[in-house]
Amino acid sequence: GAVVSQHPSRVICKSGTSVKIECRSLDFQATTMFWYRQFPKKSLMLMATSNEGSKATYEQGVEKDKFLINHASLTLSTLTVTSAHPEDSSFYICSAAPRGAYNSPLHFGNGTRLTVT
Amino acid sequence: SQKIEQNSEALNIQEGKTATLTCNYTNYSPAYLQWYRQDPGRGPVFLLLIRENEKEKRKERLKVTFDTTLKQSLFHITASQPADSATYLCALETSGTYKYIFGTGTRLKVLA
Repeated sequence: GAVVSQHPSRVICKSGTSVKIECRSLDFQATTMFWYRQFPKKSLMLMATSNEGSKATYEQGVEKDKFLINHASLTLSTLTVTSAHPEDSSFYICSAAPRGAYNSPLHFGNGTRLTVT
Repeated sequence: SQKIEQNSEALNIQEGKTATLTCNYTNYSPAYLQWYRQDPGRGPVFLLLIRENEKEKRKERLKVTFDTTLKQSLFHITASQPADSATYLCALETSGTYKYIFGTGTRLKVLA
């Protein structure tokens, strides 16, 4: 149980275009989802916290207009990288927290490798 | 400022030995600490959670300790196997927010 599906696993896009990444909790409801960015051989950098039905909370230094987050249902959060540039190329990972299960383990998707050319 | 450090970026050990990984933190008072395993190109997978009032937690060949005085957690893998080779991340809960901050990770390689 507790599976998180992230799609797509890889995407290549041209500079200036936008890319949407989906994060779904398949067998549980997730009131909270987290989006991370990971550089090669580095740890996960928390970008934002996504709460169902409300605006996302962004970490310091993360541009909210650049990285649009929508958490419209208890099983789906999306991250849209707008007007992507080569420096946005990275590994993006989402995680989900089961509803009502404070401090239970985080369940992660398998990440999306974004390459902007 | 708040900081989480894992002792070494990479650790090589011989199969059958015990691997010990360290997670040190400053300027935090986490109520919970978790350890995750991450394989290349994949998302992290949860291993163990330990609470601030727990000194030790075990699961099969894994053991975690949590010393809030030293601000340190140790993660042990006994009887290590090549299949244990991966990056191991510690994560601290930032009090009351259900938001975890991750350490820098240690790449463990178990040599056959």
